[in-house]
Formats: sequence, structure tokens, C-alpha cells
Amino acid sequence: AQTVTQSQPEMSVQEAETVTLSCTYDTSENNYYLFWYKQPPSRQMILVIRQEAYKQQNATENRFSVNFQKAAKSFSLKISDSQLGDTAMYFCAFLMPSGSRLTFGEGTQLTVNP
Amino acid sequence: SQTIHQWPATLVQPVGSPLSLECTVEGTSNPNLYWYRQAAGRGLQLLFYSVGIGQISSEVPQNLSASRPQDRQFILSSKKLLLSDSGFYLCAKRTTGMNTEAFFGQGTRLTVV
Repeated sequence: AQTVTQSQPEMSVQEAETVTLSCTYDTSENNYYLFWYKQPPSRQMILVIRQEAYKQQNATENRFSVNFQKAAKSFSLKISDSQLGDTAMYFCAFLMPSGSRLTFGEGTQLTVNP
Repeated sequence: SQTIHQWPATLVQPVGSPLSLECTVEGTSNPNLYWYRQAAGRGLQLLFYSVGIGQISSEVPQNLSASRPQDRQFILSSKKLLLSDSGFYLCAKRTTGMNTEAFFGQGTRLTVV
């Protein structure tokens, strides 16, 4: 079974600065999807960014980008120009294309300070 | 549409009482559906997932059960709630194809007293 590990329970960053959230995973498969989801205080789960393992290029969505290191099984999220609205719990998740099990890490609570 | 309807939003139930949480989804047919539970400030624990009508996979043995009586309906149940069943329950739907992702409902906050 695949596992997802987020080793930073809490992080904080000053507004307008950059922060990186870490995620590692364990799998023997070669093709899969990785995600970062955001859960603000409203508790609604929101997709931040998606990465297909077969793509070497790191995914980018505006201020959000990932550093995908397939050999190291690492998938970190970089948030640039942090905004107060980025304050949320961030979850890393793993999914097999042909599988059904969507596995989440324990989450990282990010606080953006003014 | 990838809308997921989940109700109720909040529920307070006594220990030993039954539970029924319902989730209905819109969009493409035969979606993968999921029930997750989240303790306060913690991660998402996968409880059940379903790849089709009547097909349920259980991840965590406990006093909860799930059913999928219709393609777009996923129900989480319990015959007798325990205090440890308290938490935030999320229903999710997975889309397939190149832009695969999971969409989530608004969640149900369950407090067992």
C-alpha cells in the first residue's frame, strides 16, 4: 500500500515571503498522480496543484509550484508571495491512475503572518 | 458539474444511536466515491471507497458501514455510535482522465455525546 508522509505539522511564513511544504511518499509503481490540497478554516477541500509522475516538468499554478523528485519520492509545494488567504491546512495526496485508493498525508498547518 | 451534496452539515447524536450520512454527486456516471473521516487538526482517514453500485471496499474495520444503492449515492451508516466516531466526515468523488482529481463535499461535523 502506498503511504504519504508530511513531516511538518505546522509552519509559518511572513506575508509576501516564500515557503516550502514537504511531502514524501512510498510506492513501487512508476506511474501515478500526486496532489496538493488546501483546507482553509471553512474545511472545504480545494485542489491546489496536480502532478503526473510521467511528466518530468514540475507543475505550476500561479504562485504555487512543486518540486517533484521521482527518484527520491519527494513532492514539495512552494508558495511564493504568500498571502493571508493562504493560511490553511495543506495535504499531499497520492493516486494510482488505474487504482481507486486516494491516500492523504497528515497535513501541514500553514499560517501566514501579516 | 462536479457538485457533491452532503448532509447534514452538523449532527449531534447520543452514544448507541444509529447514524446515516448521505452523499449524492453530480456529473459523469460510475464515479469512484469515497468516505473520509478527519479528527480535529489531523489528516484524512480513508474509511470506504466504491467503484460502482454495490461495490464497497473497507479500509478500517470498525462499527461503520457504507452502501451504494445508486450510481451517484453513497451512504455511511452505523447501528450504534461510539464516542470515538466523533469527527468531520467528508464525501469525495474522483474524476478520471487526464485531469483526474478528487472533489469534496462540504462535510458533516458529527459529535457523539
